[in-house]
Amino acid sequence: SQTIHQWPATLVQPVGSPLSLECTVEGTSNPNLYWYRQAAGRGLQLLFYSVGIGQISSEVPQNLSASRPQDRQFILSSKKLLLSDSGFYLCASIPTSGQTNGNEQFFGPGTRLTVL
Amino acid sequence: KQEVTQIPAALSVPEGENLVLNCSFTDSAIYNLQWFRQDPGKGLTSLLLIQSSQREQTSGRLNASLDKSSGRSTLYIAASQPGDSATYLCAVYAGGGNKLTFGTGTQLKVEL
Repeated sequence: SQTIHQWPATLVQPVGSPLSLECTVEGTSNPNLYWYRQAAGRGLQLLFYSVGIGQISSEVPQNLSASRPQDRQFILSSKKLLLSDSGFYLCASIPTSGQTNGNEQFFGPGTRLTVL
Repeated sequence: KQEVTQIPAALSVPEGENLVLNCSFTDSAIYNLQWFRQDPGKGLTSLLLIQSSQREQTSGRLNASLDKSSGRSTLYIAASQPGDSATYLCAVYAGGGNKLTFGTGTQLKVEL
């Protein structure tokens, strides 16, 4: 079975500072990878997804970006954080890529980001 | 655009009670539906996945049903326990890239 790692677990950053959140997946190859944000009192918002190395699809225009430098590594970045970037960031994976019937999605433990 | 609604938003029940959580979606052309639980400050744990061709799935005290034509799914929890206290989320697969559309969740509290 696969395991999803995220770090850091918590992060407090000043407005205008850069951001780098990392997600790595073990136990599977060529997964679909996802970044979600969960703001306080709100539902899950899909930010980015990737079906392969270097392939990134953005769901919501914003000052965040994502990259997938390796098959099982997914990075969420920002050059300058905003207050509104605060939230709980979740990485998710579907073990098999290229499927259109929707396989089971698994989530990492999340990163709590507070922008002050 | 797919929209997923969960009712009720919050629920408090005494231990031992059987309960039903509801999930509805606007576009019935889904591939499958997945139920998750989320404990405070934690990631999501997958509970059950129902394929579009299936009517229900069971795992232990949990049973999830799917009625695609009416755009509804229910999660039945038998003999609830305090450890079941969490937020329960349903999500449907919509569009390419295996993207999930999430409901807003039902916050469940099981009291002793």
